Parts: sequence; C-alpha cells; structure tokens
Amino acid sequence: DSGVTQTPKHLITATGQRVTLRCSPRSGDLSVYWYQQSLDQGLQFLIHYYNGEERAKGNILERFSAQQFPDLHSELNLSSLELGDSALYFCASSIAGTEQFFGPGTRLTVL
Amino acid sequence: AQSVTQPDIHITVSEGASLELRCNYSYGATPYLFWYVQSPGQGLQLLLKYFSGDTLVQGIKGFEAEFKRSQSSFNLRKPSVHWSDAAEYFCAVGVLNDKIIFGKGTRLHILP
Repeated sequence: DSGVTQTPKHLITATGQRVTLRCSPRSGDLSVYWYQQSLDQGLQFLIHYYNGEERAKGNILERFSAQQFPDLHSELNLSSLELGDSALYFCASSIAGTEQFFGPGTRLTVL
Repeated sequence: AQSVTQPDIHITVSEGASLELRCNYSYGATPYLFWYVQSPGQGLQLLLKYFSGDTLVQGIKGFEAEFKRSQSSFNLRKPSVHWSDAAEYFCAVGVLNDKIIFGKGTRLHILP
C-alpha cells in the first residue's frame, strides 16, 4: 500500500459525459501527478500540482482539467468523453524532487 | 529531448534463472533514475532509485540496478527470478520540475 488513494476504482460512462476522479496523496506529500495509461499510448504524464499550484503540463487534452485543493487532495475532471479516453488513470504523489508513489488507479470505460 | 528506451517489449525467463532488463536514457544532466513494477490491474510500485553516489543500487524484492553513465544505461537485474516476479517493469528518468519520463515498459513472463 503506497498511501495514495484513488476513487472510484472503476467508472463506466457514456460518450459525451463528464466524470471526476479523485486522489488523496500520502500524508505530507505536496506534489500530485496525474497519468493516463492505455495500451496504445503507454503511461502518459498529464499534469503536476504542487501545494495547490499547477507546476507542469504534459499530454493533457483541453477537455481535461485538474485542481489541487487546500487539503492537498486532487481531482481530475474529464469532459465530453470519447471512446478513446477509456484508460487507467493514475495519481501519484511525492515530496518534491524525489520518487513518486502511485495510487491503485481508476479504470475508466467509455461506452 | 529527454527520453527513456526499454528495447525489450517482452522477456521470458525460467523460474530460478537470472534476469536483466535493459534501459537506456537520454538526458543532458545527471539523471534521477527509477525502476517501477506493475502487476496486472495494479498501480506502479517503486523497486529502486538512483540519485547519486554508488552506481550499484539495491532495491526491494531482491532487485538491483547499475547506473553506467558512459552507456547512458540503468539495467535492472535479479540473480534468480520467482514466478511472482511476472509483471511489467518500467524504467523512468526524473527531469526538471519533478517530472518523470517513463519508458514503454518490459513485460516479464516466467516459465515454470
């Protein structure tokens, strides 16, 4: 158990819908990262927040957004969902500049 | 640009045999290097990391990795694999702004 929690574990929804994925980092970790893992693209970095501020953006679509709240939990919002958005979404946390600890992931299925 | 290459998509070894998974990176500065393991349906677990110092690092589950600057490599090794080692292994390099770049992964299969 990495100490990073993600909810929900599974999510099934339809095209065009909007979903919110939630992540709670390890106690004391200020950084939260979001990744998308799919069979064709592998593990793709989406976005990084540090203590509530956006630090870096990766291959994140404009339909996707994230935020980190004062209690340091983070949410990833996915809107206008397409079939191709079906993937595993991981959250990771770290003390800045060190290794990242990954949550168990949310499996999103878009029908 | 920074990148990580894992040249082997799949590797199959017999239980009890030794293992080496290859990883090459491209990064202009001294890298932070990591190996993660992912079991089916699970998140990624850190096996070991290299930040500085001794180029041979020991990790969990009996794994070790050696950083070779001249070859830009960070290969993962284990002297004797167990059936429970079957998983996907990711090499990664840490770059600026705490970003980590992952390789495409190597899936390890174990023959009984």
